[in-house]
Amino acid sequence: QSALTQPPSASGSPGQSVTISCTGTSSDVGYYNHVSWYQQHPGKAPKVMIYEVNKRPSGVPDRFSGSKSGNTASLTVSGLQAEDEADYFCSSYAGSNNVVFGGGTKLTVL
Amino acid sequence: QVQLQESGPGLVKPSETLSLTCAVSGDSIGSGYYWGWIRQPPGKGLEWIGSIYHTGGTYYNPSLKSRVTISVDTSKKKFSLKLTSVTAADTAAYFCARVGSWGSVEPWGQGTLVTVSS
Repeated sequence: QSALTQPPSASGSPGQSVTISCTGTSSDVGYYNHVSWYQQHPGKAPKVMIYEVNKRPSGVPDRFSGSKSGNTASLTVSGLQAEDEADYFCSSYAGSNNVVFGGGTKLTVL
Repeated sequence: QVQLQESGPGLVKPSETLSLTCAVSGDSIGSGYYWGWIRQPPGKGLEWIGSIYHTGGTYYNPSLKSRVTISVDTSKKKFSLKLTSVTAADTAAYFCARVGSWGSVEPWGQGTLVTVSS
């Protein structure tokens, strides 16, 4: 299984929206509606922000949303805030109880 | 509130075996979730290592399968990772976590850095 492909960086000004892509294959992202997105601040453990493509766990602001089209999933952060600056990783179920992660995107709030 | 805590040596010599344990509190290991290990080399992305169900069923990343063993002790509410024949490429922060049936990972332990060096 190969890692999912994410852009290494993304940026936006406070209040703006930014979208991060996550490209897999027809065996993972394209096949299963089980894509998750994680936020990781420096030195901290990741925290799930989106699961099952577009569901938000309790406590995650509705500024975070997810979608999927074909083999590519996307995370959109609307109304950017300073605290959104972090690394973001996508993951997808890949069958047989295996999971594949993306390489991560560093989001900078300008 | 579910909490997970990794423990184990922070330094392992090349060719030796990396051994880590994860203690679970706030949930039963038999609660229907899987329990997994993920690692992150310094400055790099996340890599799935594998997971275990409370019945003992194990599922490993194919690229690491020949070197990985995950085990569980439900009575002690712990699960463990062994990675054999380590090299410098195995240097990473190792996270334990609770995993949903379809691979969503939450919560995570705080992570423990393991360095492979002589």
